[in-house]
Amino acid sequence: LAKTTQPISMDSYEGQEVNITCSHNNIATNDYITWYQQFPSQGPRFIIQGYKTKVTNEVASLFIPADRKSSTLSLPRVSLSDTAVYYCLVGDLPPNDYKLSFGAGTTVTVRA
Amino acid sequence: DGGITQSPKYLFRKEGQNVTLSCEQNLNHDAMYWYRQDPGQGLRLIYYSQIVNDFQKGDIAEGYSVSREKKESFPLTVTSAQKNPTAFYLCASSKPAGPARGEQYFGPGTRLTVT
Repeated sequence: LAKTTQPISMDSYEGQEVNITCSHNNIATNDYITWYQQFPSQGPRFIIQGYKTKVTNEVASLFIPADRKSSTLSLPRVSLSDTAVYYCLVGDLPPNDYKLSFGAGTTVTVRA
Repeated sequence: DGGITQSPKYLFRKEGQNVTLSCEQNLNHDAMYWYRQDPGQGLRLIYYSQIVNDFQKGDIAEGYSVSREKKESFPLTVTSAQKNPTAFYLCASSKPAGPARGEQYFGPGTRLTVT
């Protein structure tokens, strides 16, 4: 199971870009990289997923270097409502073998 | 409106009692999962099911039981054998393999308090 390491917390201000880097040195060939967002007392919400290079959707970008040993979630122009815990996961889901591990996540606090 | 429902949102039980948490999905997903979350921590997998009538233990299955008699339903029973049952319980489901193979859809959670 690939272990992930991400910062415990990050502070930012409204309108800034937030970049959260996750290390996953022992990522396996078939593993995907997935990021979730969680607000207090709610279930996590899928943000973005990638395998290699760069992925962008309407809310975030995910940068993955060629060696795939790390990844960076980029949140452009954050607002107060982006204050949440962000989890980096590496692994796979059924019908392949379940291989995911939720760490403690990164608490992002956006200030006015 | 598709999604996952968990009921109830808050549940209180006395120590020594079994309690069953409900999880229903109308997303037509094959795989379903149960997680436990303790304050300030990430999620830990209790059980998951890839298909009806089949399920596998996760990292912390002791003291819990599940059933998967229907594709839409995956109830979790917290038994009296679970030493520290007070926690936030989350149910999730995922699509079959494809481009979004890592995407899980989570329910709103049930906060269980045992005294």
